[in-house]
Amino acid sequence: KQEVTQIPAALSVPEGENLVLNCSFTDSAIYNLQWFRQDPGKGLTSLLLIQSSQREQTSGRLNASLDKSSGRSTLYIAASQPGDSATYLCAVDGNNRLAFGKGNQVVVIP
Amino acid sequence: EAEVAQSPRYKITEKSQAVAFWCDPISGHATLYWYRQILGQGPELLVQFQDESVVDDSQLPKDRFSAERLKGVDSTLKIQPAELGDSAMYLCASSLRMNTEAFFGQGTRLTVV
Repeated sequence: KQEVTQIPAALSVPEGENLVLNCSFTDSAIYNLQWFRQDPGKGLTSLLLIQSSQREQTSGRLNASLDKSSGRSTLYIAASQPGDSATYLCAVDGNNRLAFGKGNQVVVIP
Repeated sequence: EAEVAQSPRYKITEKSQAVAFWCDPISGHATLYWYRQILGQGPELLVQFQDESVVDDSQLPKDRFSAERLKGVDSTLKIQPAELGDSAMYLCASSLRMNTEAFFGQGTRLTVV
């Protein structure tokens, strides 16, 4: 069974700092990895999807890397803003199902 | 922009009552998922459909939960009878096919009292 771990569980950073969120998974036989954002009481918004053959994917201030062999992905958010405050979830697609971590709860302090 | 639609957004029900949730996926998406998310946890898969067929319901508590996608488009998830431990966010997602990008709806927040 795929186990997904996200560290740290929660973090607070001052506005303008770069954010680094980590995701690790136990089974490297994956199709892709997806990063989501979730605001309190809301659904999930897809941020980035990295195919298993890719090393990284970028969208605006967001950059996600994937090291499949070591079972790790990192989400970088450059120049954080208060609007980036949310929970970020990593999901690994393997064995035809998405397995989620518990999330990184981020607070950006103005 | 195409979205996954879910209703209702909020539901309060008494334990032992029946409750149902509805999901309309993005048009043309063959794969549909129902997830349950307890506060502070990541979503966990309840059931996955490919068109109208169930491909994974191994985590669905089948004594009280049922799900259908009769025409391979919209889907209904039912709980009967509801228990206090069923209080959670129920999320629906869809993707063009298996192993492609998944898009989630806004969820249904269920409170069982």
